[in-house]
Amino acid sequence: SSDLTQDPAVSVALGQTVRITCQGDSLRSYYASWYQQKPGQAPVLVIYGENNRPSGIADRFSGSSSGNTASLTITGAQAEDEADYYCHSRDSSGNLVFGGGTKLTVL
Amino acid sequence: QVQLQEPGPGLVKPSETLSLTCTVSAGSISSSYWSWIRQRPGKGLEWIGYINYSGTTKYNSSLQSRVTMSVDTSKNQFSLRVTSVTAADTAVYYCARGYYDNSGEKTLDAYDIWGQGTMVTVSS
Repeated sequence: SSDLTQDPAVSVALGQTVRITCQGDSLRSYYASWYQQKPGQAPVLVIYGENNRPSGIADRFSGSSSGNTASLTITGAQAEDEADYYCHSRDSSGNLVFGGGTKLTVL
Repeated sequence: QVQLQEPGPGLVKPSETLSLTCTVSAGSISSSYWSWIRQRPGKGLEWIGYINYSGTTKYNSSLQSRVTMSVDTSKNQFSLRVTSVTAADTAVYYCARGYYDNSGEKTLDAYDIWGQGTMVTVSS
């Protein structure tokens, strides 16, 4: 089990907006970072901090947080966004932890 | 652009020790912190621990008794050892560069650069 809870699977129609959430009490004190992982590939950082995108990440990816929930939003989802998404932060003891992951399907 | 490479042994026998080394190229290991993360087949990401250039470490409590990390700044490398491995240690092992910032409203950790991963199978 993880101190960060994600929905196992989410789907979105091509071109529509989808929000992937990550819940945990520690998120009141720690920012989440978000990773995209495609089959057979290493994870890629897509959002970190309040709402920061690394160089090369499409601007349709954005992040937000409220209370104990961090969110990754994809505005205008593309076929290539189909992947697993993981949130990452610290738990209540300050240990680093990943959420269980959300499988995004683009219909 | 900093790159990480973590070639692995491929196969390790049960009860033996798994050893991996990650080489940092086009950058200095004397900045940021450096982590190992693994992913069992079909499962999610599991944080193993981190080390910084001075050798300060922090490990996942569930693995702490079997895990040791070390750093060699002269070679720009950091390493992972997991003792007494079992089939449950079969996974893709990734090394990653950690970014830490506690200057804002909240503390931030992120892994901005990852190695390609190496599959380690524990089997006799």
